[in-house]
Amino acid sequence: SQQGEEDPQALSIQEGENATMNCSYKTSINNLQWYRQNSGRGLVHLILIRSNEREKHSGRLRVTLDTSKKSSSLLITASRAADTASYFCATDAQGGSEKLVFGKGTKLTVNP
Amino acid sequence: GAVVSQHPSRVICKSGTSVKIECRSLDFQATTMFWYRQFPKKSLMLMATSNEGSKATYEQGVEKDKFLINHASLTLSTLTVTSAHPEDSSFYICSARGYRVTDTQYFGPGTRLTVL
Repeated sequence: SQQGEEDPQALSIQEGENATMNCSYKTSINNLQWYRQNSGRGLVHLILIRSNEREKHSGRLRVTLDTSKKSSSLLITASRAADTASYFCATDAQGGSEKLVFGKGTKLTVNP
Repeated sequence: GAVVSQHPSRVICKSGTSVKIECRSLDFQATTMFWYRQFPKKSLMLMATSNEGSKATYEQGVEKDKFLINHASLTLSTLTVTSAHPEDSSFYICSARGYRVTDTQYFGPGTRLTVL
């Protein structure tokens, strides 16, 4: 299985602080994606980083990818209470597989 | 991003009944749709992949006679939970993507199924 593993499982911070979540996976990938899920809701796509990319930015989000370590990190800067959600990484297998394999997720709580 | 809807958002049914969940891509043609199941405080587990006009491909351990999937058009896929039992209670989420395998999957808002 190439299921991703997020770390930490839960993270609680104060508004304005930065939040860093990590994801590790097991096999070679084409790309890695990060999603956000508010409680009881569907998933919102945040950012996709390809295997030949090392870093990507989108607004307050910064994603890094280290294929040699099979790991990725998601940094949310200047966090807001509205960022409170679960964050999942998802990978697809190299070789053209369209299946996404999701990690266990990090539950982020941003306290106002 | 693209919009994917699911209906119903919440359903409660009696044990033994069948429940149909719809997944629609509202502003793009979805060649492929995916059905996931999510248990409380857990990650998403892929159940099956459906391509328009062909039979769905089920993941190992998922009963295809239990979870019937139909992808009759480029904008609609349905998941029918047949003869539902309490252990089928879960959050079911679909996703849809366009023609290219590398296209982003867009997720629906999910359907909460409770079987009494």
